[in-house]
Amino acid sequence: GAGVSQSPRYKVAKRGQDVALRCDPISGHVSLFWYQQALGQGPEFLTYFQNEAQLDKSGLPSDRFFAERPEGSVSTLKIQRTQQEDSAVYLCASSSRTEETQYFGPGTRLLVL
Amino acid sequence: QKEVEQDPGPLSVPEGAIVSLNCTYSNSAFQYFMWYRQYSRKGPELLMYTYSSGNKEDGRFTAQVDKSSKYISLFIRDSQPSDSATYLCASQRASKIIFGSGTRLSIRP
Repeated sequence: GAGVSQSPRYKVAKRGQDVALRCDPISGHVSLFWYQQALGQGPEFLTYFQNEAQLDKSGLPSDRFFAERPEGSVSTLKIQRTQQEDSAVYLCASSSRTEETQYFGPGTRLLVL
Repeated sequence: QKEVEQDPGPLSVPEGAIVSLNCTYSNSAFQYFMWYRQYSRKGPELLMYTYSSGNKEDGRFTAQVDKSSKYISLFIRDSQPSDSATYLCASQRASKIIFGSGTRLSIRP
């Protein structure tokens, strides 16, 4: 079956622009996670949803970062007033239940100029 | 100090060699340990998963956890060029996976 998909795959933004990154989880997966991966580093946790409820947003680096999953399936990560330090790969993962295996999408590569 | 530390490499070995990848962790409460493989421009994929101390073998791959020394290892036997990737060790706390920085591995034909 289809895996986790993310769009766009690549995004170039000018500093100060708002961006929206989309994640389509595996069908039926209850839990959805966002991670940020800087160049040469491992992914770092940003936030987590169980269905439509955002249960943990402790990893969001600032109030410019906002995530939603209004109908418990597709999720959007929004970054307002992008800064150069926001340049990274943003990974989405989903799992059938919270502590089950997380399956990762290919990521969105964001470059802020 | 990061909770999971990993030598970033890069590591280059000839085809057929045994590869040893290692990590240390600082949180003694960690119980679950994973190894992920990440190819260039792809998301991480789960390779091995172990609970607490001990060894786990899957084909050419063996994962080893020593909780007394907080040391995690992955061994790859008969390494192949297709094993060239970045390997990430990780542990899990509730909903979060905590990753090491990854070791870039290259297998020379």
